[in-house]
Amino acid sequence: GNSVTQMEGPVTLSEEAFLTINCTYTATGYPSLFWYVQYPGEGLQLLLKATKADDKGSNKGFEATYRKETTSFHLEKGSVQVSDSAVYFCALRKGNSGYSTLTFGKGTMLLVSP
Amino acid sequence: DSGVTQTPKHLITATGQRVTLRCSPRSGDLSVYWYQQSLDQGLQFLIQYYNGEERAKGNILERFSAQQFPDLHSELNLSSLELGDSALYFCASSTRDTKDYGYTFGSGTRLTVV
Repeated sequence: GNSVTQMEGPVTLSEEAFLTINCTYTATGYPSLFWYVQYPGEGLQLLLKATKADDKGSNKGFEATYRKETTSFHLEKGSVQVSDSAVYFCALRKGNSGYSTLTFGKGTMLLVSP
Repeated sequence: DSGVTQTPKHLITATGQRVTLRCSPRSGDLSVYWYQQSLDQGLQFLIQYYNGEERAKGNILERFSAQQFPDLHSELNLSSLELGDSALYFCASSTRDTKDYGYTFGSGTRLTVV
């Protein structure tokens, strides 16, 4: 079946450090890939997405590239801020005829200190 | 405000009881998804409705049921509650039920069973 594996957290960084959160997936065919962010006490928000191989999704300084050869979709940011502290979820969705649901990884907590 | 409304935000109830969680999807979205989030299990897909009909089922217990009404709002019914049902329950909606579209999440209902 479909699955998503993320690096375990928490990831602890100082402000302005470089961020990488690893995500790999298992799925047949060509799923779409997503990163969601969950701030404390809130629901999940879509951060970025990529719908085909070699696509790069980007938003708010975050980037991720869909790598089919390594089945990966790692999240990166060049300079993190304290306000980026949150839980980040990688997810995939496949199926184009309906009946397709998002499969999430377990989430990676990011803590950024001043 | 994501446009997906969930009520109530918090619910405390006793074991053996029954509760109903309510969700109004974003305007125009026909699909509604229910997820359970707990520390040990992560985000687990429960069930999906599309325009009033059940479309996909995930790890939903027999004690749980859901429906989507003609005005597209959805309700998740949890009965014979156990301590282990304590979790955050999220509702999400989607513009289209295809793999290129992500979900918009509500802010969740935190259920505590005592």
